[in-house]
Amino acid sequence: QKEVEQDPGPLSVPEGAIVSLNCTYSNSAFQYFMWYRQYSRKGPELLMYTYSSGNKEDGRFTAQVDKSSKYISLFIRDSQPSDSATYLCAMRAGNTPLVFGKGTRLSVIA
Amino acid sequence: GAVVSQHPSRVICKSGTSVKIECRSLDFQATTMFWYRQFPKQSLMLMATSNEGSKATYEQGVEKDKFLINHASLTLSTLTVTSAHPEDSSFYICSAREERGGSGYFGPGTRLLVL
Repeated sequence: QKEVEQDPGPLSVPEGAIVSLNCTYSNSAFQYFMWYRQYSRKGPELLMYTYSSGNKEDGRFTAQVDKSSKYISLFIRDSQPSDSATYLCAMRAGNTPLVFGKGTRLSVIA
Repeated sequence: GAVVSQHPSRVICKSGTSVKIECRSLDFQATTMFWYRQFPKQSLMLMATSNEGSKATYEQGVEKDKFLINHASLTLSTLTVTSAHPEDSSFYICSAREERGGSGYFGPGTRLLVL
């Protein structure tokens, strides 16, 4: 079993839809959880950064972490065509390197 | 926010040549830098972790003699792909982290094409 599992998609939704992206993980030591957005041929851009369990909201984005289930989610409200990208979850324990999911390709259709 | 730059953004070279990629943290001191490789439609694969002034720690399967990493200052790390071959063609991305930890910041990536 890989440390971080993420469905690669592709996921296609109409403009305005609520998008739900998620990852599961196996290492209970993970404490820091991130979501990155990566456009084609660009470096990843940090969207959300959370520590331990709970919710965090930033504009149209909401990140949820459920450590008891080893499950994290990213919700995008009122999705826009400009949200079309690959979304990568990443996590780490302490001061260790990030472990990435495979990324989910999202297309928001106008 | 913090900015990390990479140079060059794209490089095409002949097989057998060496290529150096620079990663710079522009407005913060990066005690730790990470180098990743990403193949098309794949996730980021960590190659190595480097701490300023120390030897890099390479991930399993990454040849340290082929991918030379230097982290001589708190704002600059370099990755040199020695004797590059077509299978080394990939997207190389660095990430820089401040001493206090945090998520780190990614560079824009360098696309390497070896002919």
